[in-house]
Amino acid sequence: DGGITQSPKYLFRKEGQNVTLSCEQNLNHDAMYWYRQDPGQGLRLIYYSQIVNDFQKGDIAEGYSVSREKKESFPLTVTSAQKNPTAFYLCASRNLQGALHYGYTFGSGTRLTVV
Amino acid sequence: AQSVTQLDSHVSVSEGTPVLLRCNYSSSYSPSLFWYVQHPNKGLQLLLKYTSAATLVKGINGFEAEFKKSETSFHLTKPSAHMSDAAEYFCVVSGLSGNTPLVFGKGTRLSVIA
Repeated sequence: DGGITQSPKYLFRKEGQNVTLSCEQNLNHDAMYWYRQDPGQGLRLIYYSQIVNDFQKGDIAEGYSVSREKKESFPLTVTSAQKNPTAFYLCASRNLQGALHYGYTFGSGTRLTVV
Repeated sequence: AQSVTQLDSHVSVSEGTPVLLRCNYSSSYSPSLFWYVQHPNKGLQLLLKYTSAATLVKGINGFEAEFKKSETSFHLTKPSAHMSDAAEYFCVVSGLSGNTPLVFGKGTRLSVIA
C-alpha cells in the first residue's frame, strides 16, 4: 500500500544533540512538507520541498534543516540551535499536478522529547 | 493572503446529538477547502474536500460540510455524534496556487460525552 512512513514514532534527545527524523513516501508525490504541532497552536510549517534538491523555509525554520536528495525522502534534522524542540512532528506529501484539488497525505508523526 | 479561522477551540456534545464545527475562511479567489481529523498521537486524515463542484460535500464517517461563499464559511456537521468521533478537527484552505502550502486552522477539539 502506498503511503508515508515516519520513523521513529518516539524519539528522545539530550540537550545539545542534533537528531534526524525520517520521512519516506512511495506515492510518487512531488512535494513534501514538515510541520510542528504543539498543543493549542495547530500545525506550523517548518520546511517544504517541491522538487529534488530544492526546498523552502516555512514559518518556523530556525533551528531546523532538511535535505531532498531523493523524491521519496525528506528527512528533518532538529539541531541544537532549536531552543524548544519538544513537540509532535508531522510529515506530509502532495502531488503538484492538479494540486489545488488535492490535500495532503500525512504520516503518523514522530514525538520528540528533550530529556 | 489566505487564512482560516476555526471559531471554537473546544466543542463538547453528547453521544447521539448533532455536531457542528465552525470554520470561516478568507481568500482572494475561489479556494479549495478541506477538513481533516486527528486522533491522539496520530497523523491527520482527510475527512472531505470542496473543490468548486457541489457546495454540499459529503465525507467519511457521516460528516458533511457546506461551502457558503456569501458567508465565507465551511462548517462541518454530523447528525449524530459517536464516541469514536472524539478527536481534533482542522479546517484547511488552499494556497494561491498549487505550489503554495495549504493553510491550517488552529483546530477544534471535539469531546463526546456518553
